[in-house]
Amino acid sequence: NAGVTQTPKFQVLKTGQSMTLQCAQDMNHEYMSWYRQDPGMGLRLIHYSVGAGITDQGEVPNGYNVSRSTTEDFPLRLLSAAPSQTSVYFCASSSPGDRGYEQYFGPGTRLTVT
Amino acid sequence: KNEVEQSPQNLTAQEGEFITINCSYSVGISALHWLQQHPGGGIVSLFMLSSGKKKHGRLIATINIQEKHSSLHITASHPRDSAVYICAVGSMGGSEKLVFGKGTKLTVNP
Repeated sequence: NAGVTQTPKFQVLKTGQSMTLQCAQDMNHEYMSWYRQDPGMGLRLIHYSVGAGITDQGEVPNGYNVSRSTTEDFPLRLLSAAPSQTSVYFCASSSPGDRGYEQYFGPGTRLTVT
Repeated sequence: KNEVEQSPQNLTAQEGEFITINCSYSVGISALHWLQQHPGGGIVSLFMLSSGKKKHGRLIATINIQEKHSSLHITASHPRDSAVYICAVGSMGGSEKLVFGKGTKLTVNP
């Protein structure tokens, strides 16, 4: 299993540009989420999905869109990039099991908006 | 909203020392997670627990539900343990919308 994959690893955008961060998992997990990590702050939830066709907002959703058309994929779209969106983005997946919702994280995408 | 506090923020130890990192949260939870983030940035799950104690190799995690407190212990620390350790909690009702602490940066010197 590849686990959770994210592309790209690095990206530089100009203010106002749009782009999509890709996330995919091959573990058939129901639950997927996007987080951003900023210096001095804990990971913060942007959007999450509890299954194909179902998404909801997290703590910091403004400026981001998501969709979940398949169980495997959960892309994050930046509609009009702003310098405040400079961050490291992590995608994670999990599924209920004997041990509860163990989290599996992707390697992250480092985004810089100039 | 649950508040998650970790202490200390930074910790420097000598190889072989016993390490303790603490995590406190403010409201009832379904589960508490300990995660490790290496300098390269990747995040891996170390433990998920809702009661008692778990052990994996030199790592031990404990949780006290009544006191809303968890500890992560590392025995016989090694430079390869140098990383950021993150506590996260999931809310009651089975939701896995996690709330994260800010992390504890551990440096173990040889």
